[in-house]
Amino acid sequence: SQKIEQNSEALNIQEGKTATLTCNYTNYSPAYLQWYRQDPGRGPVFLLLIRENEKEKRKERLKVTFDTTLKQSLFHITASQPADSATYLCALTGYGQNFVFGPGTRLSVLP
Amino acid sequence: DTAVSQTPKYLVTQMGNDKSIKCEQNLGHDTMYWYKQDSKKFLKIMFSYNNKELIINETVPNRFSPKSPDKAHLNLHINSLELGDSAVYFCASSQMDSLNSPLHFGNGTRLTVT
Repeated sequence: SQKIEQNSEALNIQEGKTATLTCNYTNYSPAYLQWYRQDPGRGPVFLLLIRENEKEKRKERLKVTFDTTLKQSLFHITASQPADSATYLCALTGYGQNFVFGPGTRLSVLP
Repeated sequence: DTAVSQTPKYLVTQMGNDKSIKCEQNLGHDTMYWYKQDSKKFLKIMFSYNNKELIINETVPNRFSPKSPDKAHLNLHINSLELGDSAVYFCASSQMDSLNSPLHFGNGTRLTVT
């Protein structure tokens, strides 16, 4: 069955450092991979999308990589700030396949 | 000017009752969805719907039924509520039923069944 894993349930880092979150998947052939941010009591908010034939995508302090050979995406937040503290979800979509979300990683950026 | 709004935000009810959650989007999107987020925070799709097609996740009990009076609304009706239905339910929409269209979520309805 399709499975998505995110490296850890929780990740603590110091302010100013780069946070790196991992999304691994099995039994799935995604065409697109998306990252969302979810704050407590709120719905997920779309951040970035990367296509299967793209290696890297950037948006301001965010960077996403996508390696279909390793079946892995890395999500980086550079110069992290306490305001970046949230749960980050990866999601996969593929041809003829359902939209599937990972379990999320709760990031805490410590001042 | 909320893009996707759902009501109520909290819903506490007893087993066996029937309840509805309403969802409206003002983004002009073609496709709407219902997701369930359980206590472990997994988001699982329940339904996707556009004007032409309703796609049901086969694991969803038939006590759950989506109802769409028009393109901007997708309500969720639940019959004979059970304890295991307690979760947060999210409505979402996207521009098209397209693989690269991001989802826009509401802020959720926390359902507690006692």
